[in-house]
This record gives sequence, structure tokens and C-alpha cells, in this order.
Amino acid sequence: QKEVEQNSGPLSVPEGAIASLNCTYSDRGSQSFFWYRQYSGKSPELIMFIYSNGDKEDGRFTAQLNKASQYVSLLIRDSQPSDSATYLCAVKHGNKLVFGAGTILRVKS
Amino acid sequence: GAVVSQHPSWVICKSGTSVKIECRSLDFQATTMFWYRQFPKQSLMLMATSNEGSKATYEQGVEKDKFLINHASLTLSTLTVTSAHPEDSSFYICSARGLALSTYNEQFFGPGTRLTVL
Repeated sequence: QKEVEQNSGPLSVPEGAIASLNCTYSDRGSQSFFWYRQYSGKSPELIMFIYSNGDKEDGRFTAQLNKASQYVSLLIRDSQPSDSATYLCAVKHGNKLVFGAGTILRVKS
Repeated sequence: GAVVSQHPSWVICKSGTSVKIECRSLDFQATTMFWYRQFPKQSLMLMATSNEGSKATYEQGVEKDKFLINHASLTLSTLTVTSAHPEDSSFYICSARGLALSTYNEQFFGPGTRLTVL
């Protein structure tokens, strides 16, 4: 069983729509969760992190965490073509980050 | 703040040669650095964790004699791919974590090094 699972996609949304990206994790004791965006050929860049149950908003991005369901999601409002990228969910496991395989997002203009 | 650089950004080498990749934290002291490898269309896989002044801890399946890691200072870690072969061709990415509160809870990623072994 993979520790961090994501749907590989691609997820296609029209410009201006809400993109919803999901991630589940297996270690119930995990405390820190991160969303990264990775453009082709580039290294990941941190979008946001979340530690507590509930929602955390930062601009057009909202992270949602449900520890009971071992589920974390990322909502992107008013999606733009520049948001087209691979989105990586990462869970802190001890000293390390464990990454999911990533979801490809395509925003069509 | 919290900028990490890598050098070189890309390198092509012949099979059997060794390649050194540098990872530097430019504006903070990195007590811990991480080395990842990413093959096309796959996620990041952690290779090893290094703490300044001590030996690196390698993930299962990563050959420590092939991938030499040195973290001799708080701002520099190096990864040397020894006797490189075409299957070592990959995107190598480092990240760093600092001791200060502002840099402790995150890993700050370098821009990556693309290695091609002919």
C-alpha cells in the first residue's frame, strides 16, 4: 500500500472553474501536510501547508484536511492556464517528506 | 529568503565517469539536506538525508558507495554519482531545512540538476 496516494489525472478544468485535487495517506499519525506545484522540467515549489483539521486559505488556494478520514485536498479557485502543472501532495513522516505520485492539472482557456 | 541553489543545472557525461552536484543554501544555515531523484513522469523519491558534519542516511535500495554525499558545512552539500551509467540519467533535486523557526518546518527545494549519461 502506497503511503501517499493521488489520482494521476489528468484533471481538465475550464478557465475560471474550481479545480479540486485530492490526496489520501496511510499513516494515521501524520501531522504535517504539504502541497507543491511542479512545472515540467522544474523542481517543486511549495503552495501551502496545513497542520490542523479544517480549511486553510491562501489567495486562490484552499487546503482542506480531515485527519479522521486521512484525507487532504487542494482547491484552486478561478483556475488559470498558468495553473496547469503537476500537483504533488507530501506528508511529513518523521524527518522526511513522502510524496504522492502527483496529479496533472490542465486548465483550458 | 530561504533560497537553495544547485550546480550544475544540467550535465552530460560519458558512462563510467563521476559527476558531482552541489547544493547550497544561500541565505540560511541548512542543518539537514535531502537528495531526491525523479525519473520522467514519476514522483520525487528520496535518496538520502544528510546532516551537517555526519554521515548521510540512505533510503533502502540506494547504493551509498555509488551516490556519495558530503555535507561538510551548513551551507553546502554535494552528491557525487560515481561510475555513472545510462540508468542513472535522471533529475536530481536537493532540498534544505534550517534550524531557525522560519526554516525548520519546510524543505526548500533547489532548482534541480538534469543528468544525462551517454
